[in-house]
Amino acid sequence: DSGVTQTPKHLITATGQRVTLRCSPRSGDLSVYWYQQSLDQGLQFLIQYYNGEERAKGNILERFSAQQFPDLHSELNLSSLELGDSALYFCASSAGTGGTSYEQYFGPGTRLTVT
Amino acid sequence: GQNIDQPTEMTATEGAIVQINCTYQTSGFNGLFWYQQHAGEAPTFLSYNVLDGLEEKGRFSSFLSRSKGYSYLLLKELQMKDSASYLCAVRGEDSNYQLIWGAGTKLIIKP
Repeated sequence: DSGVTQTPKHLITATGQRVTLRCSPRSGDLSVYWYQQSLDQGLQFLIQYYNGEERAKGNILERFSAQQFPDLHSELNLSSLELGDSALYFCASSAGTGGTSYEQYFGPGTRLTVT
Repeated sequence: GQNIDQPTEMTATEGAIVQINCTYQTSGFNGLFWYQQHAGEAPTFLSYNVLDGLEEKGRFSSFLSRSKGYSYLLLKELQMKDSASYLCAVRGEDSNYQLIWGAGTKLIIKP
C-alpha cells in the first residue's frame, strides 16, 4: 500500500459526459501528479500541483482540468468525454521538500471506460 | 529534446538473470528511477541512482553511468512474479521534481 488513495476504482460513462477523479496523497506529501495510461501504452504526464498551486503541465487536453485543495487532495476533471479517453488514470505524490530522492508513490488508479 | 529509450520487450527464463537497459538524453540530470508495473496495476518504486555505480537491493540491482547517459536494471534469480513492465524515469534539471518517463520494457518470464 503506497498510502496514496484514488476514487473511484472504476468508472463507466458515455461520450460527451463529465467525470471527476479524486486523489489523496500520502500524509505529508505536497506534490501531486496526474498520469494517463492507455492500454499497453506508457505513462503520459498530465499535470502537477505543489501545495495547492499548478507547477507543471504535460500533455493535458483543454477538456481536462485539475486542482489541489487546501487539504492537499486533488481532483482531475474530464469533460466532453471521447472514446479515446478510456484509460487508467494514476495519481502520484511525492514529498517535494527535504529528503533525497523524492520518488513518486502511485495510487491504485481509476479505470475510466467511455462507451 | 528529451528522450528515454528502453527495449520494448524482453524474454527470460525462470531462475536466470536479465539486464534491462535504459539510455537517456535530458536537459540536466538529477537522478534516475526504476519502477515495476504489473499489468493493470500501479507502478511501484524499485530503485534510485544519482551517482555513478551500482546500487544493490536483494535480487535487483541498478547501475548508472552519467557520462554515457546509461542505466541498467539487473534482475537475478528470476521468478514468475517478475513478469511485469519495468519503467525507467529521469529527473532532469526541472525544479518541480517531475520525471521524464520511458515507454517501459515488458519482461516475460518463461518456466
